[in-house]
Amino acid sequence: GAGVSQSPRYKVAKRGQDVALRCDPISGHVSLFWYQQALGQGPEFLTYFQNEAQLDKSGLPSDRFFAERPEGSVSTLKIQRTQQEDSAVYLCASSPSHKDTQYFGPGTRLTVL
Amino acid sequence: DQQVKQNSPSLSVQEGRISILNCDYTNSMFDYFLWYKKYPAEGPTFLISISSIKDKNEDGRFTVFLNKSAKHLSLHIVPSQPGDSAVYFCAASDYGGSQGNLIFGKGTKLSVKP
Repeated sequence: GAGVSQSPRYKVAKRGQDVALRCDPISGHVSLFWYQQALGQGPEFLTYFQNEAQLDKSGLPSDRFFAERPEGSVSTLKIQRTQQEDSAVYLCASSPSHKDTQYFGPGTRLTVL
Repeated sequence: DQQVKQNSPSLSVQEGRISILNCDYTNSMFDYFLWYKKYPAEGPTFLISISSIKDKNEDGRFTVFLNKSAKHLSLHIVPSQPGDSAVYFCAASDYGGSQGNLIFGKGTKLSVKP
């Protein structure tokens, strides 16, 4: 079946622009996670949704980062007023429940100039 | 402070030999451990996992060993194949106390030479 998909795959933004990154999880997966992966590092947790409820946003680095999953399926990660330090790969993962194996999408590589 | 550490940034192995990738952790609350494999420009792919109540889990050529007293786990690949060349990430979670978010190491780049 279809895996996790993310779009766009690559995004270049000028400093100060707003960006929106989309994640389509595996159908029926209740849990959805966003991670940020900087160059040479492992993925770092940003936020977690159970259906449409955002239950943990402790990893979001600043209030410029906002995520939503209004219908419990597709999720969007929005970054306002992008900064150079936001340049990273943003990974989305979904799982049947929060204690199941997480399956990752291909990621969106964001470059802020 | 890193809770999950992969101290070897890279490893080179001959085809057919064993690859051993190591991972150390500091948080004794972690109760579930996973290994992911990542090719360039792709997302991490789940490989194998182990619960803290076990000390070994095997799946084909891949075996994960967990030593709770040493807070150490390792991934063994036997025999290694050129297609195994990728970055391997160790990850851990406190399923009992968190929402299931994973804590990752920095990864080990495995190169399997023909």
